[in-house]
Formats: sequence, C-alpha cells, structure tokens
Amino acid sequence: KAGVTQTPRYLIKTRGQQVTLSCSPISGHRSVSWYQQTPGQGLQFLFEYFSETQRNKGNFPGRFSGRQFSNSRSEMNVSTLELGDSALYLCASGREWHTEAFFGQGTRLTVV
Amino acid sequence: AQSVTQPDIHITVSEGASLELRCNYSYGATPYLFWYVQSPGQGLQLLLKYFSGDTLVQGIKGFEAEFKRSQSSFNLRKPSVHWSDAAEYFCAVGPNNAGNMLTFGGGTRLMVKP
Repeated sequence: KAGVTQTPRYLIKTRGQQVTLSCSPISGHRSVSWYQQTPGQGLQFLFEYFSETQRNKGNFPGRFSGRQFSNSRSEMNVSTLELGDSALYLCASGREWHTEAFFGQGTRLTVV
Repeated sequence: AQSVTQPDIHITVSEGASLELRCNYSYGATPYLFWYVQSPGQGLQLLLKYFSGDTLVQGIKGFEAEFKRSQSSFNLRKPSVHWSDAAEYFCAVGPNNAGNMLTFGGGTRLMVKP
C-alpha cells in the first residue's frame, strides 16, 4: 500500500513569489492535514481538509491556503513568500474523525 | 488550549541501556496521544497511540508508553536501545472531538553511544 506522497521534495523560491505544494494521501484516506516544521517554532499545524472542506485551521496568516480535490489529493499554496517561510512542510493523511495521522516525507522549501 | 511539553531537548544513552522520554500534556478532556519518530530530513513515523482503554500501549520497534491521567503524562519507554533508535522523538496530542489536528511537543533528540 503506497504511503503519503508529497511533491516536490525540494524547492527553492525567491522572496515575493508564490509556491504550490502537493500531497497525495494514502488510498481511502479522506483527511489531509498540513504542518510546518522549523528549527525555531517546531511542528505547527496549518490546516486540515476532509472531503474537500477545510475542517480545522491553525494560526497562520492568510498567505497560507489550501484545498482538497474530490480524489482527496490536497495542495497548499503560499503567496508572497517571506524568508521565514523556509521550512519543511509535512502532509499527513487519516481515515476519518480523530484517527492516527500518517505523514509523508515532506517538502523542503527554501526562500532566498 | 492544548499544549505538549517534552522537558528533555537532548538525551544520550548507551546502546543496550533502557530509555524513557518524558511527555506532559495539557488538555481539557481525555486527549488522543501519540508518539512519532523522525530521522534527519524525513517525515514522521508513528510509534504508538493512545485513544482509550489500557493505559500501557505497545508500539513498533519495541517501544511502549504509559498514559497517566493524574500526572498528565505519556512517557515513552524502551528496555534496550539500539544504535538505529537515534533520531528525534515527538509527543503529540489530538482532540477527541475535532478532527485530525495535532499539537506537538518540541521534540527530544536521542543520541546513542556505542
């Protein structure tokens, strides 16, 4: 059974640009969550999508957005990139309500 | 608001020695509790989880954890550490009524001496 797939694995962007990250959940999982991991702030929850609807949202500015498609694949977008957005972005999928989350390998975003 | 504290940022143990990683949480009701492990540059792998029932839970790779409600703790243990256990360990809490939204502790980096 394939795990959670995140693409791309590595990304370098310039300050002010925008970026889109992709996440394909485990087959049959309808919940997709996104997290940001930085050395200074640790692992922080961005948002969760379930059946194409945003179910939960963390405390991040509106520059961070996401969506989920009918096949449960999810994308997150960061607009007007700042240097502080450099981080490992992790996606996790789960079956239903409050079940364990399975994480992908992450996308390493570097903003220069 | 929920929170998780992992008091030990770094821990070094000798190979073959026992291990205990501490985790304290703050949550208004009975939480869902998790331990994850992360190797450098990788994602998170679930070691074990507690939802309800038996307070001693077994996980993969020989790890176990005990939920102690009175102490708001969920410490991770392993009787004999292997060099391959060197990694960063994260404790996390999730709400039991609001979807998959985890709050993580700051992590404990484990180093294993030969």
